[in-house]
Amino acid sequence: DQQVKQNSPSLSVQEGRISILNCDYTNSMFDYFLWYKKYPAEGPTFLISISSIKDKNEDGRFTVFLNKSAKHLSLHIVPSQPGDSAVYFCAASSGGAQKLVFGQGTRLTINP
Amino acid sequence: KAGVTQTPRYLIKTRGQQVTLSCSPISGHRSVSWYQQTPGQGLQFLFEYFSETQRNKGNFPGRFSGRQFSNSRSEMNVSTLELGDSALYLCASSFTGGITEAFFGQGTRLTVV
Repeated sequence: DQQVKQNSPSLSVQEGRISILNCDYTNSMFDYFLWYKKYPAEGPTFLISISSIKDKNEDGRFTVFLNKSAKHLSLHIVPSQPGDSAVYFCAASSGGAQKLVFGQGTRLTINP
Repeated sequence: KAGVTQTPRYLIKTRGQQVTLSCSPISGHRSVSWYQQTPGQGLQFLFEYFSETQRNKGNFPGRFSGRQFSNSRSEMNVSTLELGDSALYLCASSFTGGITEAFFGQGTRLTVV
């Protein structure tokens, strides 16, 4: 069973517009969520995280929203830039364990 | 500050052989986790070591094992390799024992033929 799901395998957005990446989870024990970005032939790079006690966290162009009742989180990138083109993974953990459960990833393409 | 270093970057092994992968975490980081990435299964957690002790383990067979040394460097071993073990193996390190952002290495691409 897939506990973390990213239902959109790909997303294409115009440069300067907002990119919204979505993630759903099924395990109600998850209490910490992270977004990672991955370029080909590189390891994932941490972007932003959020604890379940919050519903929003911002860092520059990146904002993560958490809706616990819907078991849904989203990553907003504003404005989108060509360098944002990559695969984005959401990940979740529970109980403070350094054991991440990843979604399948969404390939984001920013078009000039 | 140097990042997470994984060696080797690429490896080709024959079915039935065994392989050892190495990971040097960021200086000062005591937690090292290992993940397997395949096209079909995505990124899956293998195990985590903290202060030389395995603290968490994923759902992988006993052929997959690891260890951590006193300098926090970690090794992962896969015995009796199968074709399905072909994957990108990623190591991640983090500073504390609790959940914080993990920093990943570039991975070791293992191909089993």
